[in-house]
Amino acid sequence: EVQLVESGGGFVKPGGSLRLSCAASGFSFNNAWMNWVRQAPGKGLEWVGRIASEADGGTTDYAAHVKGRFTVSRDDSKNTLFLQMNSLKVEDTAVYYCSVQTYGYFDWLDHWGQGALVTVSS
Amino acid sequence: DIQMTQSPSALSASVGGRVTITCRASQDINNYLNWYQQQPGKAPRLLIYGAINLQTGVPSRFSGSGSGTDFTLTISSLQREDFATYYCQQSYITSWTFGQGTKVEIK
Repeated sequence: EVQLVESGGGFVKPGGSLRLSCAASGFSFNNAWMNWVRQAPGKGLEWVGRIASEADGGTTDYAAHVKGRFTVSRDDSKNTLFLQMNSLKVEDTAVYYCSVQTYGYFDWLDHWGQGALVTVSS
Repeated sequence: DIQMTQSPSALSASVGGRVTITCRASQDINNYLNWYQQQPGKAPRLLIYGAINLQTGVPSRFSGSGSGTDFTLTISSLQREDFATYYCQQSYITSWTFGQGTKVEIK
């Protein structure tokens, strides 16, 4: 069974940093493309970024609103995905989900974690 | 970025009723369109990928149609567990975007 467990959420002041982790199990993590998606309180889903498998180059992509501030990385030896968030803003307050991307002719997000809440406030 | 616009933002329907949600892309995305369901307090769940393909395990009362810029999610006979928020999402370009969501409530 695929399991994704996010951790590292919490309260941080504007301008601060936080690192989220996503522990993965039940699938071949090193072959997986992984994504982060966030959801502000009472709002819709917003794609944040992804990282390809190392075999596919380990390349990263980001949404415009986080590019230059957030970094997605992975440690395949520990089956763990990370999201380093710097220069945080109040509008980054959200539940952050990690998710496995199924890719091929079509791409989609198949399995999701339960989410980690990040609150940015002074 | 490609903007995804869903309509309506919310709707009320009865159990057994038929529901149609539309999603419009700001440019042609071929059929690179996915639909997700999110129940309160839970993570999203994939329903349909590639505009028309039902994900394994999803009931056949869900169906998707469309191509290009206009897409539709239909629930043929609404069940109690279908009351949730539905999102479309484009995977045509690297920077993915979601629609704003459609909340389906009980009438």
